[in-house]
Amino acid sequence: EVQLVESGGGLVQPGGSLRLSCEGSGFTFNTYWMHWVRQVPGKGLMWVSRLNGDGSVTKYADSVKGRFTISSDNAKNTLYLQMNNLRAEDTAIYYCARGSIIAARPPGHWGQGTLVTVSS
Amino acid sequence: QSALTQPASVSGSPGQSITISCTGTSSDIGAYNYVSWFQQHPGKAPQLMIYDVSDRASGVSNRFSGSKSGNTASLTISGLQAEDEADYFCTSYTSSSTLYVFGTGTKVTVL
Repeated sequence: EVQLVESGGGLVQPGGSLRLSCEGSGFTFNTYWMHWVRQVPGKGLMWVSRLNGDGSVTKYADSVKGRFTISSDNAKNTLYLQMNNLRAEDTAIYYCARGSIIAARPPGHWGQGTLVTVSS
Repeated sequence: QSALTQPASVSGSPGQSITISCTGTSSDIGAYNYVSWFQQHPGKAPQLMIYDVSDRASGVSNRFSGSKSGNTASLTISGLQAEDEADYFCTSYTSSSTLYVFGTGTKVTVL
């Protein structure tokens, strides 16, 4: 069974940094595209970033480009999202999601999410 | 990139069929067969129901089916049951730099 468990969320001041982690199990981590998606509570979803299986290809939403960095440690089956220069509008539940071996297919398996609150 | 448009709410009685629409553009739903549907209960992780427009995810009841016509995808739930009451959202690959666009979400109520 595919399982994804996020951690690292919390309260941070504007301009601050946070690193999210996502530990995966039940699948071969370096085979699939991995994603981060966020959801403002009670509102819509927004795709944030993706990384290919060997960690060599990344892509970011325009609103986080230059501030967020996605990476992975395949030996630990763990995906990361380093978030710098955080803004109030980054406040959201952040989901780690497993994609497919097909790059274009939307992520299908999601974790429970971790809440990031950016506020002074 | 605008969100995909879904009705805010859909309701039906047990045993009935309902259909949720998801309207996009020729850059997303109209261009690719990479449309997925998710079910989300309050406070829970989204659960994949349908992928690639009409393929059911593993373990999903055959009461759930997906289709697409032009720029609009649809999710049909037949034989509505109480446990189907949840939020549903669609997503599609898009040719824009956003890569993936999500629906506005639909709350399904079983009367």
